[in-house]
Amino acid sequence: GNSVTQMEGPVTLSEEAFLTINCTYTATGYPSLFWYVQYPGEGLQLLLKATKADDKGSNKGFEATYRKETTSFHLEKGSVQVSDSAVYFCALSDRSTASKLTFGTGTRLQVTL
Amino acid sequence: NAGVTQTPKFQVLKTGQSMTLQCAQDMNHEYMSWYRQDPGMGLRLIHYSVGAGITDQGEVPNGYNVSRSTTEDFPLRLLSAAPSQTSVYFCASSTLGGAGGPYNEQFFGPGTRLTVL
Repeated sequence: GNSVTQMEGPVTLSEEAFLTINCTYTATGYPSLFWYVQYPGEGLQLLLKATKADDKGSNKGFEATYRKETTSFHLEKGSVQVSDSAVYFCALSDRSTASKLTFGTGTRLQVTL
Repeated sequence: NAGVTQTPKFQVLKTGQSMTLQCAQDMNHEYMSWYRQDPGMGLRLIHYSVGAGITDQGEVPNGYNVSRSTTEDFPLRLLSAAPSQTSVYFCASSTLGGAGGPYNEQFFGPGTRLTVL
């Protein structure tokens, strides 16, 4: 079956530091990959996505590249801000599951001044 | 558009009580789903629906019922609440992605925090 593995958190960074959150996946088909973000007290919202190998998703300074050879979709940002403090979820869906999403466990990011 | 709305925001139940968590969306989405979020477990799919009158089980369906009589509404029923159902529940909706895609963005509600004593 499908699965998503994310690095354990929490991740604590100083403002303007570089961020990497690792995500690897197992899927039977050709999945689409997503990063969702959950700010405190809110639901999840889509941060970025990539639908095929070598695609790069980007939004709000965050980037992730779909790497089929390493089955990875690591999230990066060059300079984090306090407002980026949130929980980040990696997720996938594939042809066999259509709209259904498989989520990783989430990584909490805390950015301090 | 209100997007996806959920009520109530918070609920405390006693073991054995029943209740319904409400979810509604105004985006005319075919696909709707319920997840529960537990610490260290990510989000797990409870039930989902690909259209009015069609529902199916997800990863953790036991203890929950759903129905989809309209495109807009997708209530989740707890028949006899148990402490193991203490969790945060999220409803989500999207257009329907089929084989070959597109694999569409899911829109989430703000969640319902449920405590079962």
